[in-house]
Amino acid sequence: QVTLKESGPALVKPTQTLTLTCTFSGFSLSTSKMRVNWIRQPPGKALEWLARIDWDDDKFYSTSLKTRLTISKDTSKNQVVLTMTNMDPVDTATYYCARASGSYLDLDYWGQGTLVTVSS
Amino acid sequence: SSELTQDPAVSVALGQTVRITCQGDSLRSYYASWYQQKPGQAPVLVIYGKNNRPSGIPDRFSGSSSGNTASLTITGTQAEDEADYYCNSRDSSGNHLVFGGGTKLTVL
Repeated sequence: QVTLKESGPALVKPTQTLTLTCTFSGFSLSTSKMRVNWIRQPPGKALEWLARIDWDDDKFYSTSLKTRLTISKDTSKNQVVLTMTNMDPVDTATYYCARASGSYLDLDYWGQGTLVTVSS
Repeated sequence: SSELTQDPAVSVALGQTVRITCQGDSLRSYYASWYQQKPGQAPVLVIYGKNNRPSGIPDRFSGSSSGNTASLTITGTQAEDEADYYCNSRDSSGNHLVFGGGTKLTVL
């Protein structure tokens, strides 16, 4: 059974760095073609893809946010960490992690999401 | 272009067929995936690849593609299908993902 769960602060102040952790089970990120993505969704708005890390440690970032994002993995802990620097109120959103497997990059399992509010 | 365009809202009568579309240049090269999102819930994958359904997704959901347009068709729409639907695909680089703006489906 594949599960993912996001964790991190519910509230961050402007200019601070956000660190989110995705803890997963039911698969290994050391298995070929396994990938974990981060996606966010501002309240009432559309989904936005942020970043992805692959089984071979390849990393990919949203073009518009790449200067602020870092993704990493700890395979032994079954965790993926996303950091986003210089947080702004427009970054207020529900942040999801989601697995992709195989060649299509489809997001076949999602976490429940965690709401992050940026406010002073 | 890395954008995917969806109609903001679509409505369908109960039991009828509805098509939700997604347009973008990258769809000429890559398949779209489709996600259903109900209020307060995480998205759920309903269609991927050429026209594949994950386990547990009813066969009234189907996908197709032509040129720069991908479509999600729901045949015999049920009340529980009322939700937001998002398409996504790779961008022109092939390595990044991009989402459409979402379509709110109302079942009348």
